[in-house]
Amino acid sequence: GESVGLHLPTLSVQEGDNSIINCAYSNSASDYFIWYKQESGKGPQFIIDIRSNMDKRQGQRVTVLLNKTVKHLSLQIAATQPGDSAVYFCAETYSGAGSYQLTFGKGTKLSVIP
Amino acid sequence: GAGVSQTPSNKVTEKGKYVELRCDPISGHTALYWYRQSLGQGPEFLIYFQGTGAADDSGLPNDRFFAVRPEGSVSTLKIQRTERGDSAVYLCASSPRLSGRPIQETQYFGPGTRLLVL
Repeated sequence: GESVGLHLPTLSVQEGDNSIINCAYSNSASDYFIWYKQESGKGPQFIIDIRSNMDKRQGQRVTVLLNKTVKHLSLQIAATQPGDSAVYFCAETYSGAGSYQLTFGKGTKLSVIP
Repeated sequence: GAGVSQTPSNKVTEKGKYVELRCDPISGHTALYWYRQSLGQGPEFLIYFQGTGAADDSGLPNDRFFAVRPEGSVSTLKIQRTERGDSAVYLCASSPRLSGRPIQETQYFGPGTRLLVL
């Protein structure tokens, strides 16, 4: 299949290390944020979400941090595994817009070195 | 349970032809979205359905693009007079949007249809 990672920023990490993927979002009014993982040839897969009334949320091996002051999101992956290799997108939406359409960031390609 | 499904998985057509792309959302999901993803880019919003109606079609690039969801479940994205620039992956997503409960915005994506216009 095609490479969704073409021309994307790349983060290379050693297996077992922690990964941090950053995202700057564009709309200061956005109040809901999602991280998606996309493997080559597949659709985006939901990882974790966070609402604007929170600044941190934890899932299984993943943590999302939200800094509304500087419009910044980060995704932390603990003990990175080869299966984590993919392109990661942050997405934002503003509930006041009605449609909850997602606006995606540019994506970061995570490569895990075994 | 079954996720969002899309057919065909790949579609090759010639410039000027008409194509239809189908999306089967997760059962019971009332909200359905279409996005388009060009190589190396994130998905871009095209259109949103709540039930049978297109509640927001602001992302459709021009009047060659049209989408329907006649029974509030399956949706079809239709592209007339295809152009080479229409080549992309067309993604469908659905979300619960249950009335009377907190809004559930999480969108679950299908695998996409890879459209190539020659």
